[in-house]
Amino acid sequence: GAVVSQHPSWVICKSGTSVKIECRSLDFQATTMFWYRQFPKQSLMLMATSNEGSKATYEQGVEKDKFLINHASLTLSTLTVTSAHPEDSSFYICSARPQGGGWAKNIQYFGAGTRLSVL
Amino acid sequence: GQSLEQPSEVTAVEGAIVQINCTYQTSGFYGLSWYQQHDGGAPTFLSYNGLDGLEETGRFSSFLSRSDSYGYLLLQELQMKDSASYFCAVRDDTGGFKTIFGAGTRLFVKA
Repeated sequence: GAVVSQHPSWVICKSGTSVKIECRSLDFQATTMFWYRQFPKQSLMLMATSNEGSKATYEQGVEKDKFLINHASLTLSTLTVTSAHPEDSSFYICSARPQGGGWAKNIQYFGAGTRLSVL
Repeated sequence: GQSLEQPSEVTAVEGAIVQINCTYQTSGFYGLSWYQQHDGGAPTFLSYNGLDGLEETGRFSSFLSRSDSYGYLLLQELQMKDSASYFCAVRDDTGGFKTIFGAGTRLFVKA
């Protein structure tokens, strides 16, 4: 099956530093990747849609200068949390939608998530 | 706006059948999906309904009624490993193919 690799799985950083999270589709190409944030025992909140070769589309209330997204290739999207603060501590999950029509448009494959703790 | 409603928790015993309901309100509806997530893990795709009716995949089935804006996930022959959170999600094609998730239903399977 389709595999999405997300790295790192866990990061602890000091307040004010920036953290980069990578999301790779290992065995398929993904023109579209998504970044979610999830608080404990809550749902996945869509932060932004990452489109290969173009600017990301951010959801309302998500600061684009705070959460920088780059989708440089059909298999890699990165999320950089800039000048992280304790309130940014959360579980960040990426997902990728396989390229193509039909059924492929309806499935998202998720990375294992990154747990960010900002001290 | 978009919203999905599903029960917050369901408890059942091993071997039983459980149904998790989901009602949704959205514009540009294009399908209802279900995902499973174990604590600390990533969501995994379970099923998708684009048209009315029942889709069956092994022990799991999913149903959709577009006229009622309603769907459900049916889990049969429950096993302990089915204890997880289950999210319904709608694909909304207004504003570009994004998927919106419900709050999730935590399923507890007891021996």
